[in-house]
Amino acid sequence: AQSVTQPDIHITVSEGASLELRCNYSYGATPYLFWYVQSPGQGLQLLLKYFSGDTLVQGIKGFEAEFKRSQSSFNLRKPSVHWSDAAEYFCAVGAYNAGNMLTFGGGTRLMVKP
Amino acid sequence: DGGITQSPKYLFRKEGQNVTLSCEQNLNHDAMYWYRQDPGQGLRLIYYSQIVNDFQKGDIAEGYSVSREKKESFPLTVTSAQKNPTAFYLCASSISFVGPPKETQYFGPGTRLLVL
Repeated sequence: AQSVTQPDIHITVSEGASLELRCNYSYGATPYLFWYVQSPGQGLQLLLKYFSGDTLVQGIKGFEAEFKRSQSSFNLRKPSVHWSDAAEYFCAVGAYNAGNMLTFGGGTRLMVKP
Repeated sequence: DGGITQSPKYLFRKEGQNVTLSCEQNLNHDAMYWYRQDPGQGLRLIYYSQIVNDFQKGDIAEGYSVSREKKESFPLTVTSAQKNPTAFYLCASSISFVGPPKETQYFGPGTRLLVL
């Protein structure tokens, strides 16, 4: 079965600084990878997804993620963080033979210092 | 506007009581999902439905029940058998369930369930 690990439970960055959120997955075949963002008390919104092709994926709100098969990673990045980016971020993986089901990581809470 | 609505936003349950959480979508999606969210544990799948009149258990179905009598509705009942129901519950939908997981899941705003 597939699994996802987000090693950082909390991260604090200064506004304007760069950001990288880590995601490691475990899956035997080519994974289907997603990043979602959740504002406090709200549902989840899709930032980006990767299925195949170019390993650098662009998403909404200026986010990007890079798939690295050799490291089983799908890290999320943003070159300059805005205060409105403070939220919880979830990485998720889907398996080819499991329909549209996703397995989510535990999440990383991002705080932004002024 | 198309989307997913969940009600109520907050729900209080007394000991031994069953409560039902509502989830409605007007996206014309075939597949719907219920997740439970606890701090630090991410989202865990409770039940999912691929199509009307069909549903399957997810990873943590014990103490929960669902129905899917209409395409747009997928209510979740938290029964008295669920001993630790305090959590944030999220409903989601996707165009379909079949095939590789390429379809985006769209989420509702959630319901927070608290035990009195």
